[in-house]
Amino acid sequence: DAKTTQPPSMDCAEGRAANLPCNHSTISGNEYVYWYRQIHSQGPQYIIHGLKNNETNEMASLIITEDRKSSTLILPHATLRDTAVYYCIVRVVGYGGSQGNLIFGKGTKLSVKP
Amino acid sequence: DVKVTQSSRYLVKRTGEKVFLECVQDMDHENMFWYRQDPGLGLRLIYFSYDVKMKEKGDIPEGYSVSREKKERFSLILESASTNQTSMYLCASSLGGTTYEQYFGPGTRLTVT
Repeated sequence: DAKTTQPPSMDCAEGRAANLPCNHSTISGNEYVYWYRQIHSQGPQYIIHGLKNNETNEMASLIITEDRKSSTLILPHATLRDTAVYYCIVRVVGYGGSQGNLIFGKGTKLSVKP
Repeated sequence: DVKVTQSSRYLVKRTGEKVFLECVQDMDHENMFWYRQDPGLGLRLIYFSYDVKMKEKGDIPEGYSVSREKKERFSLILESASTNQTSMYLCASSLGGTTYEQYFGPGTRLTVT
């Protein structure tokens, strides 16, 4: 089972920031937080990941709370093309074996509206 | 850019047929994965491979086998297709180790009639 909890759906106005929350209260010290998204009829797309520090790249920012029990993905200026299902995943750090698996939950369906 | 390609976007097969799904990646990635995605169940890992000729079972390997003879190619085989294998099949690849992101192909929607 997925180790994360996300709201099933959210709406966001085009041009505004989209803040997607994720709860991972049982996260272990060696687990990273990953975010992927899946646009309709496409394969999932990697967005960002982090361990305990906040991270930013060209797509998004990831804010992880100090106790690491929750995080927020921020899309600073959402566009209609950001409409997708967003998955928050916790993942063990290691090499080989089944530790590298991505376990996708149900995610959050983000609808960006004009 | 990493490119992961899958042999077909849509495939229709009959019950009992042997089905081959091919996946090719062009970034020299060590790891390759096969998932299936079903409504309400999310993505589930079928098999993965972390090296040529190496494979490990995922969460739902029953009814499937895999082959990795070359680093860039990972094949999923349905020995005798059944209707409950109708699904979206997604291939992914990543660098070795488990901290690297996985890159997904576009998916193959398989219908077994």
